[in-house]
Amino acid sequence: ETGVTQTPRHLVMGMTNKKSLKCEQHLGHNAMYWYKQSAKKPLELMFVYSLEERVENNSVPSRFSPECPNSSHLFLHLHTLQPEDSALYLCASSPGLAGGYTDTQYFGPGTRLTVL
Amino acid sequence: AQSVTQPDIHITVSEGASLELRCNYSYGATPYLFWYVQSPGQGLQLLLKYFSGDTLVQGIKGFEAEFKRSQSSFNLRKPSVHWSDAAEYFCAVNTDSGAGSYQLTFGKGTKLSVIP
Repeated sequence: ETGVTQTPRHLVMGMTNKKSLKCEQHLGHNAMYWYKQSAKKPLELMFVYSLEERVENNSVPSRFSPECPNSSHLFLHLHTLQPEDSALYLCASSPGLAGGYTDTQYFGPGTRLTVL
Repeated sequence: AQSVTQPDIHITVSEGASLELRCNYSYGATPYLFWYVQSPGQGLQLLLKYFSGDTLVQGIKGFEAEFKRSQSSFNLRKPSVHWSDAAEYFCAVNTDSGAGSYQLTFGKGTKLSVIP
């Protein structure tokens, strides 16, 4: 595997379910990100991790819970979601410490989440 | 406030025709600019980036972009479009998050359709 991978690619869940999204980067990067992409809205940054430490949390509801056990893996744990949470969730990684002015982010293919 | 504007929501061009996608940014400091492309159901792929130096930057897939500070623009161009270029294109700028770090601010995207 190369680049940034995400599993599953598609997920359908009920509002009472608990599920997790997984992201893995094979680039040796130090920072990882979660974004939400909804129809007709710009990409929204959700969480940023730098060397496994969370450095940004952009007012995301507590029903989304990130976890970064090491610099190669990032999870997004989901529970009691709402239908408006249906979106494409994108993971990204960057080589520098997160938030560097010249840092470049590389994205995974995304997980298409549908909440019923 | 920092922002990125892509004024064209949807553009249709004929295969073999030239292409220009517009991007304007609002940012007080020297910007670090990106163009990403997203094919249907996929993540974002980096096309090119500008940090400093030559204001005309070359990217992958035959794309180029020109940074014009006086116009706060970073337009993407391609001399001859191929059917496989049909996708959504996102302009982004690295902006100060206000917490001593930087984060990507994206435009809303321009969807490109290519007709034979």
